Amino acid sequence: QTVVTQEPSLTVSPGGTVTLTCASSIGAVTRDDYPNWFQQKPGQPPRSLIFTTDNRHSWTPARFSGSLLGDKAALTLSDLQPEDEAYYYCGLLLRGDWVFGGGTKLTVL
Amino acid sequence: QVQLVQSGPELKKPGASAKVSCKAYGYIFITSGVTWVRQAPGQRPEWLGWINAYDGHTNYPQNFRGRVTITADRSTNTAYMELRNLRSDDTAVYYCAKDFDFSISNWGQGTLLTVSS
Repeated sequence: QTVVTQEPSLTVSPGGTVTLTCASSIGAVTRDDYPNWFQQKPGQPPRSLIFTTDNRHSWTPARFSGSLLGDKAALTLSDLQPEDEAYYYCGLLLRGDWVFGGGTKLTVL
Repeated sequence: QVQLVQSGPELKKPGASAKVSCKAYGYIFITSGVTWVRQAPGQRPEWLGWINAYDGHTNYPQNFRGRVTITADRSTNTAYMELRNLRSDDTAVYYCAKDFDFSISNWGQGTLLTVSS
């Protein structure tokens, strides 16, 4: 069974920068896995942030960026605001199936 | 703007079936696909499958094949997800999302499905 792994939790100060990562049990994450990133706040549906590794949706703040970092997908959030506190999930298209990570709980404190 | 509006919450007994709808607004329905995802409380999202709204082609993960059917009605711009032989661990919020060109973009508001005797 394919597993996608993310950091369970991270805490960052307001105005700071943080990088979240997304790893695959199959091997290195590549652009062909089409990494997508989502933000989810309690009681709300996910909100899509990044698609196909490093493309922002029209509503995604410019201070959010996606990339590949070593053998993982990465989401970097800069100039963190209190409203950025949320769960962040990655999704990878692995062997034709979307597989989601366990999520990172980001605390801005 | 793009909006996906899902049907309301459902309460079902074990062994029954549930069918959730997802009506699309604000884009040309047949130019995109629709993906279905569920999320149990405190759990990661779980992919249920995808449909090409133009030709009805579907793709399901192995663990849901045979229990899930996703369809699309081009006349009403609505996608449907039916889950059969429900179990208590199917209790979750079910989401549809616009899925085109390897991009999951706009999400529905979610539908709570509760399976309980």
